[in-house]
Amino acid sequence: DAGVIQSPRHEVTEMGQEVTLRCKPISGHNSLFWYRQTMMRGLELLIYFNNNVPIDDSGMPEDRFSAKMPNASFSTLKIQPSEPRDSAVYFCASNLGALNYGYTFGSGTRLTVV
Amino acid sequence: SQQGEEDPQALSIQEGENATMNCSYKTSINNLQWYRQNSGRGLVHLILIRSNEREKHSGRLRVTLDTSKKSSSLLITASRAADTASYFCATGPRANAGGTSYGKLTFGQGTILTVHP
Repeated sequence: DAGVIQSPRHEVTEMGQEVTLRCKPISGHNSLFWYRQTMMRGLELLIYFNNNVPIDDSGMPEDRFSAKMPNASFSTLKIQPSEPRDSAVYFCASNLGALNYGYTFGSGTRLTVV
Repeated sequence: SQQGEEDPQALSIQEGENATMNCSYKTSINNLQWYRQNSGRGLVHLILIRSNEREKHSGRLRVTLDTSKKSSSLLITASRAADTASYFCATGPRANAGGTSYGKLTFGQGTILTVHP
């Protein structure tokens, strides 16, 4: 298995532009998580899905952020419009959706909004 | 707010020495997990300890859990330069009625470990 695959690895965009981050979880994993990592705030959970259904999006910063999971093998995190304070590394992780299993993280997307 | 808080924030040791990192948390948990993150990479799951376990080993790793004190420790024995990384503890979700996990994995701020050759 190739693990959790995220794209792009790096994204540089101008303030106000739309940004879409993509994630392919491990086949058979039922839960998918989007995290954001910054020096100031550490790792923050933005949203997570179970069986493609959003369970908790209380970590999503504001309405500019949205996430979808149209099927078990694909999820997107969209920021529209982007702002410089959105600059961070965004991680996607997946899990079997059962108790007592670790999470598998992707390599992350480093987003820079200028 | 962070559920887990690691201590120390940074640790610098010589190759061959043992490294101990501590984690404290605030609420009841189902399990506690430790992850490693190399610079510029994603997090890698190291070990999971359930709330009814007190100690667990995996290779050179030893994890302890004290639920009465809401704390855990990660010991890396005979450290190597390749162990240089950030280490995070994360508290795992409580079981829901169906026995499946719908909860969040909440991370601490991490301990930066540097092992000098």
